[in-house]
Amino acid sequence: GQQLNQSPQSMFIQEGEDVSMNCTSSSIFNTWLWYKQDPGEGPVLLIALYKAGELTSNGRLTAQFGITRKDSFLNISASIPSDVGIYFCAGQLEGSNYKLTFGKGTLLTVNP
Amino acid sequence: DSGVTQTPKHLITATGQRVTLRCSPRSGDLSVYWYQQSLDQGLQFLIQYYNGEERAKGNILERFSAQQFPDLHSELNLSSLELGDSALYFCASSVSPEETQYFGPGTRLLVL
Repeated sequence: GQQLNQSPQSMFIQEGEDVSMNCTSSSIFNTWLWYKQDPGEGPVLLIALYKAGELTSNGRLTAQFGITRKDSFLNISASIPSDVGIYFCAGQLEGSNYKLTFGKGTLLTVNP
Repeated sequence: DSGVTQTPKHLITATGQRVTLRCSPRSGDLSVYWYQQSLDQGLQFLIQYYNGEERAKGNILERFSAQQFPDLHSELNLSSLELGDSALYFCASSVSPEETQYFGPGTRLLVL
């Protein structure tokens, strides 16, 4: 099936550092979403992007929908310990009847 | 709390058995989606319903089936269970297929 390439797979950073992760694909997406999943919980929506070039912020989080519609990035500024978790990108492929394709996730560890 | 509820939270069963997972969508949401999350495959879309009708199918095995009832809750039936079916099963819901999906807490299935 369609794959989203999410990188990096994992990150280990110090509290206060900024973080960046991204997703790329060879296909065009209509929507990009970023979710965070804590252990034993379901994914929680962080940011939704609906237009190419769109840049959206949610507190310390900023995400962008790539101009080519084939990529997206998520930045977290001034990381804190509770940012620990797995971050997933997800996209709705053009013509996919709105079903989501997920990246493999980025495991973020923040050292206090 | 996303407003999506799933029961049971945990399920342990034996190979060859059949189980039913239940999902209640957020109030007002007409679309329900089922996903499977495993370590090797990540989050995989299984099936989508909208207002009681099947809308899209993903990587769902023939041994699995689902339905959405008139009160909009949904059930995912897994039969002839195999060890490899052990995974987290998530339900998500949205107002309509093109709107953002919100995930439930998941059901952890262990097949022994």
